[in-house]
Amino acid sequence: KAGVTQTPRYLIKTRGQQVTLSCSPISGHRSVSWYQQTPGQGLQFLFEYFSETQRNKGNFPGRFSGRQFSNSRSEMNVSTLELGDSALYLCASSERTGGLNTIYFGEGSWLTVV
Amino acid sequence: AQKITQTQPGMFVQEKEAVTLDCTYDTSDPSYGLFWYKQPSSGEMIFLIYQGSYDQQNATEGRYSLNFQKARKSANLVISASQLGDSAMYFCAMRGKDNYGQNFVFGPGTRLSVLP
Repeated sequence: KAGVTQTPRYLIKTRGQQVTLSCSPISGHRSVSWYQQTPGQGLQFLFEYFSETQRNKGNFPGRFSGRQFSNSRSEMNVSTLELGDSALYLCASSERTGGLNTIYFGEGSWLTVV
Repeated sequence: AQKITQTQPGMFVQEKEAVTLDCTYDTSDPSYGLFWYKQPSSGEMIFLIYQGSYDQQNATEGRYSLNFQKARKSANLVISASQLGDSAMYFCAMRGKDNYGQNFVFGPGTRLSVLP
């Protein structure tokens, strides 16, 4: 069974640009969540989608957005990039939403903003 | 608010020995899950072990076991017979409810170095 797939793996953007990251969950998983990892802030929850609906949202500005498609694939978008957005963005999937479901991560997308 | 604390920024262990990585948590939600993940330098978060708040027995997965002490709100990871490939960052995480609904909170991590 294929794991969580994230694309692209590495990208470099300029301040003010926007970026879209893609995530394909494990087959059969309907919940997809996104996380930002930086050396200073550690791992922080961005948002979670289940059945194409945003179920939970972390404490991030509106420049960070996401969506989920009917096949459970998800995208996240960051507009008006800032230097501080440089991070590893991790996507994870689980069968269902809820506290007792194990989530599995992809390899992440390394974003550098210059 | 939910919180995970990992008080050991770095740990060293001799190959083939056992090591315990500490994790304490705080939540007011009676229903929660506790997780440990391993993150090598490549960046991928690898799921190791899970413990549900209602589970009576400590979880075990191969060389990994979780020492769950609910009253102390402690969920330490024990790695037996350490291997060189175990060198990585280890994150304790909790999934439960907070003001935003279901959320997933990570600790700051512990960097484990296995010495030959």
